[in-house]
Amino acid sequence: NAGVMQNPRHLVRRRGQEARLRCSPVKGHSHVYWYRQLPEEGLKFMVYLQKENIIDESGMPKERFSAEFPKEGPSILRIQQVVRGDSAAYFCASSPISRYNSPLHFGNGTRLTVT
Amino acid sequence: AQKITQTQPGMFVQEKEAVTLDCTYDTSDPSYGLFWYKQPSSGEMIFLIYQGSYDQQNATEGRYSLNFQKARKSANLVISASQLGDSAMYFCAMDSTGNQFYFGTGTSLTVIP
Repeated sequence: NAGVMQNPRHLVRRRGQEARLRCSPVKGHSHVYWYRQLPEEGLKFMVYLQKENIIDESGMPKERFSAEFPKEGPSILRIQQVVRGDSAAYFCASSPISRYNSPLHFGNGTRLTVT
Repeated sequence: AQKITQTQPGMFVQEKEAVTLDCTYDTSDPSYGLFWYKQPSSGEMIFLIYQGSYDQQNATEGRYSLNFQKARKSANLVISASQLGDSAMYFCAMDSTGNQFYFGTGTSLTVIP
């Protein structure tokens, strides 16, 4: 069984470009979570999505960041006009309908470097 | 508000010895879960062990055990018989009634041969 798949593994962008990070959840999982890890820090929640719905985006910066989880295809985290401070590791996790008090299993992450 | 605190930025342990990584938490929710993750230098997040707030016994998974002291709000990870491959960052995390996991800042463990 394939786990959560994220791509690309590494992404380099120049300031002002767009970054698109993809997350394919575990087959049959309809819930996706995105987390960001800045250097030397723990993971910080960004957004929680179900198919075609954003459930909680309280951790998402108000500008330049957006996320979607369409009916078909992977979840996408999109960062427009990237700045150096966006350089981080972005992790995705997925879960079936009921996740409460069960572990999140993460993908391998996408390491974004903004030059 | 939920909060996880890991006060040991770095720890060293001799190979084959046991080590305890500290974690304290703060929550007003009566029901919550506590988790430990390992992040090796390759960067992936590996789930290690889980403890529910209502669990009567401390969780164990192989060489990992969780020393859960509810009154003290602590959930320390104990790794027995350390191996060189245990060298990594270790993160404590908490889950309660919201949608988020809350992570501590991590402890870097180095196993010395």
